Amino acid sequence: ETGVTQSPTHLIKTRGQQVTLRCSSQSGHNTVSWYQQALGQGPQFIFQYYREEENGRGNFPPRFSGLQFPNYSSELNVNALELDDSALYLCASSARLAGAYNEQFFGPGTRLTVL
Amino acid sequence: KQEVTQIPAALSVPEGENLVLNCSFTDSAIYNLQWFRQDPGKGLTSLLLIQSSQREQTSGRLNASLDKSSGRSTLYIAASQPGDSATYLCAVEYNAGNMLTFGGGTRLMVKP
Repeated sequence: ETGVTQSPTHLIKTRGQQVTLRCSSQSGHNTVSWYQQALGQGPQFIFQYYREEENGRGNFPPRFSGLQFPNYSSELNVNALELDDSALYLCASSARLAGAYNEQFFGPGTRLTVL
Repeated sequence: KQEVTQIPAALSVPEGENLVLNCSFTDSAIYNLQWFRQDPGKGLTSLLLIQSSQREQTSGRLNASLDKSSGRSTLYIAASQPGDSATYLCAVEYNAGNMLTFGGGTRLMVKP
């Protein structure tokens, strides 16, 4: 059974650029959540996707957007990058079955640095 | 506003000590509470998950308790080892949906 994987592992961008981060969910999982973790802080929930639709969103501006594909993998897109977007971005997947959510599992993260 | 707080932010102990990490949350209407471990620059590893109807969970040297009425959870680590050095994060799920609210973490250092 393959766990949650994320790519790339590290990324450096400059202010104003756009970035796309990718997440492959664990086999059998249909729900993907994204979190932002600034240095020295706990992760903050960005949004969640279930069956290719946004299923919940935290307190993040619209320049943070996402996609989920038919194979349940997901992308996080951030436009007009700001210095404060520098963080570890974590993806988590879980299985939602008959309305019930099972435990979610986290990927290793993508470290984004904005200069 | 639903907030999760962890105290202390950092803790250093000698090997072999038993220790307690604290987590408090502002809204007692939780669905479940989870403790994670995070090694530097890495993802999260789930340690223990406590459903709202439960009072505690145990795994090996780890024991987590939950007191919803007081808005508190503790993670007890017995006979600490240098390999336990990591950041420990507490996360609350307020509604079934896997959308977690995290505390800021406790950075633990266990000295040989």
